Amino acid sequence: GNSVTQMEGPVTLSEEAFLTINCTYTATGYPSLFWYVQYPGEGLQLLLKATKADDKGSNKGFEATYRKETTSFHLEKGSVQVSDSAVYFCALSDQAFGNEKLTFGTGTRLTIIP
Amino acid sequence: NAGVTQTPKFQVLKTGQSMTLQCAQDMNHNSMYWYRQDPGMGLRLIYYSASEGTTDKGEVPNGYNVSRLNKREFSLRLESAAPSQTSVYFCASSNVRGQGQPQHFGDGTRLSIL
Repeated sequence: GNSVTQMEGPVTLSEEAFLTINCTYTATGYPSLFWYVQYPGEGLQLLLKATKADDKGSNKGFEATYRKETTSFHLEKGSVQVSDSAVYFCALSDQAFGNEKLTFGTGTRLTIIP
Repeated sequence: NAGVTQTPKFQVLKTGQSMTLQCAQDMNHNSMYWYRQDPGMGLRLIYYSASEGTTDKGEVPNGYNVSRLNKREFSLRLESAAPSQTSVYFCASSNVRGQGQPQHFGDGTRLSIL
């Protein structure tokens, strides 16, 4: 079956540091890949996505590139801010039978220190 | 712009009690989903509904039932609550037409079973 493995947390960085959160996946077929973010007390929000190999998703300074050869979708940001503190989830979609069922990683908690 | 609305936001139950978690979306989405979020385990799919009138089991359906009341509403019922069902429950919806359609999440219901 499908699975997503992402970097264990928690991750603590200083403001303006470079961020990488690793994500690798296993899937039969050609999934779409997503990063979701969850701020305290809220639901998940889509951060970015990529639907085919070599696509780059980007939003709010975050980027991730769909790498089929390494089955990876690592999240990066050049200069993090305190407001980026949240839990980040990598996910893939399985479009079997017309449904976009999501398989999630376990989440990585990110804390940015001023 | 309500999106996905879940009620209640918090609930405490005693073992053996029953309750129904409500979810409604105003985006005219065909598919709706129920997840539970537990520490260190990401989100796990309980049930989903690909369209009005259909429901299917996800990864962890035992102890739950669902009803797709109409296109807007998808409820989750615990018939006899158990402490193992203490969790945060999220409802989501999506438009499955087109590859890589993201899911839109509610803010969650925090449920404690004593």
